[in-house]
Amino acid sequence: DTAVSQTPKYLVTQMGNDKSIKCEQNLGHDTMYWYKQDSKKFLKIMFSYNNKELIINETVPNRFSPKSPDKAHLNLHINSLELGDSAVYFCASSPRLAGGRNEQFFGPGTRLTVL
Amino acid sequence: QQPVQSPQAVILREGEDAVINCSSSKALYSVHWYRQKHGEAPVFLMILLKGGEQKGHDKISASFNEKKQQSSLYLTASQLSYSGTYFCGTESNSGNTPLVFGKGTRLSVIA
Repeated sequence: DTAVSQTPKYLVTQMGNDKSIKCEQNLGHDTMYWYKQDSKKFLKIMFSYNNKELIINETVPNRFSPKSPDKAHLNLHINSLELGDSAVYFCASSPRLAGGRNEQFFGPGTRLTVL
Repeated sequence: QQPVQSPQAVILREGEDAVINCSSSKALYSVHWYRQKHGEAPVFLMILLKGGEQKGHDKISASFNEKKQQSSLYLTASQLSYSGTYFCGTESNSGNTPLVFGKGTRLSVIA
């Protein structure tokens, strides 16, 4: 049973295109996240949703737009892709946002390459 | 503010021990530890809450010194399977703030 799943696993596209990454969790968690991991392996949070509501929106270009149709899904849409967007994007979920017991379960990642 | 991990990288022979440190300039509520193997997602190892607790997970344990805002991860009698990048993630006392991850410590265990 896959706890946190993401599609696609690999995404290769041209600059200027628009693309989406989908994420689903079957753990019954209230909180979901998007992280970006660059080539130096730094894990940086982009967004956090709690029960479909946007809680955290770090300094991310507004070309990135998350959407949470329900608390089990958190999708990421990226407009006008740029070379610097190339990275591995991880979706994650946790039982709660903060206050302990917020261990995070990561999806397998989506490797985005912008040419 | 990003926690600082040390060392950045370490190479061990099987059976050797290692310590990875994580320190923050902010008062912390909790510290998380994760391991990421090459090409895979980070995997949760353990969480330590303020109160100075210690935890163990097989031969991997950790401590959290709340006053010093530091945590250490102890790997004893290392196995090949311990290889990977270890990240600490810190949650500050202010609450409802996202976990902030350190830059990671790359651990390589060789035979």
